[in-house]
Amino acid sequence: ETGVTQSPTHLIKTRGQQVTLRCSSQSGHNTVSWYQQALGQGPQFIFQYYREEENGRGNFPPRFSGLQFPNYSSELNVNALELDDSALYLCASSPPTGAKNIQYFGAGTRLSVL
Amino acid sequence: SQKIEQNSEALNIQEGKTATLTCNYTNYSPAYLQWYRQDPGRGPVFLLLIRENEKEKRKERLKVTFDTTLKQSLFHITASQPADSATYLCALDTGGNNRLAFGKGNQVVVIP
Repeated sequence: ETGVTQSPTHLIKTRGQQVTLRCSSQSGHNTVSWYQQALGQGPQFIFQYYREEENGRGNFPPRFSGLQFPNYSSELNVNALELDDSALYLCASSPPTGAKNIQYFGAGTRLSVL
Repeated sequence: SQKIEQNSEALNIQEGKTATLTCNYTNYSPAYLQWYRQDPGRGPVFLLLIRENEKEKRKERLKVTFDTTLKQSLFHITASQPADSATYLCALDTGGNNRLAFGKGNQVVVIP
């Protein structure tokens, strides 16, 4: 186990709704990255948070937004859900020193948009 | 355009043999490359990292090579076991800050 926990594990929403996904990073890890993994695909980088600030963003529209809190936990918010947003959403944390290039992933939140 | 290619066909291999997976990339200049393992319904788990100035890295039964001229990495599992059955993902550094670009993954099935 990596020590990264995500909630909820599964979620069903309808098109147009909004969703918030949560992530607790591993103890001591101050960088959190979010990825979207569609079925049969590799994870795609959404954005990254470092010390409560967004620190890089992938090719995702503004309706994907996030937060990082002082304890380094993080949220991913998606507004105006679309059918194509159905995917596994992965959170990964990294330490500030040492193995800082390694990402420690949670088990993910499976989002289904109907 | 940027691409990371892994074989889409599953690799079926007899227990005890060596499994070899390929990761090819175009229009990236990664400072390092990583391999992750992913089991169904789980998040990826880090296996190995190799830097651009390293040719080969080993960890127990795993070996990774990195050829920046060919823009290719090879991932080997020696003496494969049924517990090695999983999807293996190649991931490239995209210019710093741990922003990784992943391939689609390659499934390995080890037959007892």
